[in-house]
Amino acid sequence: DADVTQTPRNRITKTGKRIMLECSQTKGHDRMYWYRQDPGLGLRLIYYSFDVKDINKGEISDGYSVSRQAQAKFSLSLESAIPNQTALYFCATSEPGLASTDTQYFGPGTRLTVL
Amino acid sequence: RKEVEQDPGPFNVPEGATVAFNCTYSNSASQSFFWYRQDCRKEPKLLMSVYSSGNEDGRFTAQLNRASQYISLLIRDSKLSDSATYLCVVVISGGYNKLIFGAGTRLAVHP
Repeated sequence: DADVTQTPRNRITKTGKRIMLECSQTKGHDRMYWYRQDPGLGLRLIYYSFDVKDINKGEISDGYSVSRQAQAKFSLSLESAIPNQTALYFCATSEPGLASTDTQYFGPGTRLTVL
Repeated sequence: RKEVEQDPGPFNVPEGATVAFNCTYSNSASQSFFWYRQDCRKEPKLLMSVYSSGNEDGRFTAQLNRASQYISLLIRDSKLSDSATYLCVVVISGGYNKLIFGAGTRLAVHP
């Protein structure tokens, strides 16, 4: 079984709808992240969480919210989806440590299309 | 200017070829560097870290040039299975380890 799972894997929705992407992990890591990937751009950080009570905005948090329900679960919500939120979304985990050892473990991704 | 820049490619090479990718970064405070591999429609996975002294892992060699602010990845004896997109990642330490991803360089190895 995969260490980091995401649901759904694919989603098509309409402008204005609220949707939630879910992420679960069995790696026991405290740190979890949400990224989006667009063609021609690097992965960009939306939100990150270092533990259940710690939520932080990344570089592109507008239009998104998150919830850390447990150490193993981190969900991303689009309050009112818009077409430019069409992208590939990745959840990732990592262990606290030095920058030189900060390996990110990614889930399989959720391909979201907003019509 | 992007913080991390990579040639998007694609680099089309025959099996057995040697191919090299470069990546430049703009923030001199960058402390750690990595190469990730991403297969089509899949998640990125760590390929290797990049150390100041350079490091090698089998057919893969990574090097860092801090003075010129670039890192490189050399792949020798290319295999069909090396076909993927290679992401350059730069880490800036601060309140948290901020990872900055390049957009990736696509490699296609053909028979």
